[in-house]
Amino acid sequence: AQKVTQAQTEISVVEKEDVTLDCVYETRDTTYYLFWYKQPPSGELVFLIRRNSFDEQNEISGRYSWNFQKSTSSFNFTITASQVVDSAVYFCALSEAGTGGFKTIFGAGTRLFVKA
Amino acid sequence: NAGVTQTPKFRVLKTGQSMTLLCAQDMNHEYMYWYRQDPGMGLRLIHYSVGEGTTAKGEVPDGYNVSRLKKQNFLLGLESAAPSQTSVYFCAIQGSGSGAEQYFGPGTRLTVT
Repeated sequence: AQKVTQAQTEISVVEKEDVTLDCVYETRDTTYYLFWYKQPPSGELVFLIRRNSFDEQNEISGRYSWNFQKSTSSFNFTITASQVVDSAVYFCALSEAGTGGFKTIFGAGTRLFVKA
Repeated sequence: NAGVTQTPKFRVLKTGQSMTLLCAQDMNHEYMYWYRQDPGMGLRLIHYSVGEGTTAKGEVPDGYNVSRLKKQNFLLGLESAAPSQTSVYFCAIQGSGSGAEQYFGPGTRLTVT
């Protein structure tokens, strides 16, 4: 069965600090996809990144970076030099190819507060 | 957000009343989903559709029905609302192809008293 665990319920940092959001997943499938979504205070859900299970390269996009490690079943998200606008709930998600890619399981989310 | 709209944005129902939530897309995507979001529980899949005329149950389907008569619309129905259905409901669309990302509507906040 697939499962996504985001153990950090809330994180509070001061602006310009670096922060890492943890995501641990469980799956029996060898082909799967991992995602991060952002939900700012306005409430909409915004897609940030997708990774497939065959691509363990880390990715950097501006201040955002993602570390995918199959050995530890983790897909962590780091924000460098955090800003107030980064305050949001961040969701990690998993989709298994075995389900046709139709079902995505979301973690419970990590609420990030960035203080000025 | 990627051409996904939801109607209505807010609604208050009394226990036992019925209502239909409408999700409409202009992206011509095959897959459409209904989720509910509750505090501390992330998003849970209610029902989904992989194409016009098809629907399937997700993780928490009880108390809901859906229909996909037209490709661009996915309707979520509550036949007899219960306070446990107080939640924020999100519709999402997904392009064909395994593992494609999802794009979400703005959400509907439903309160059942």
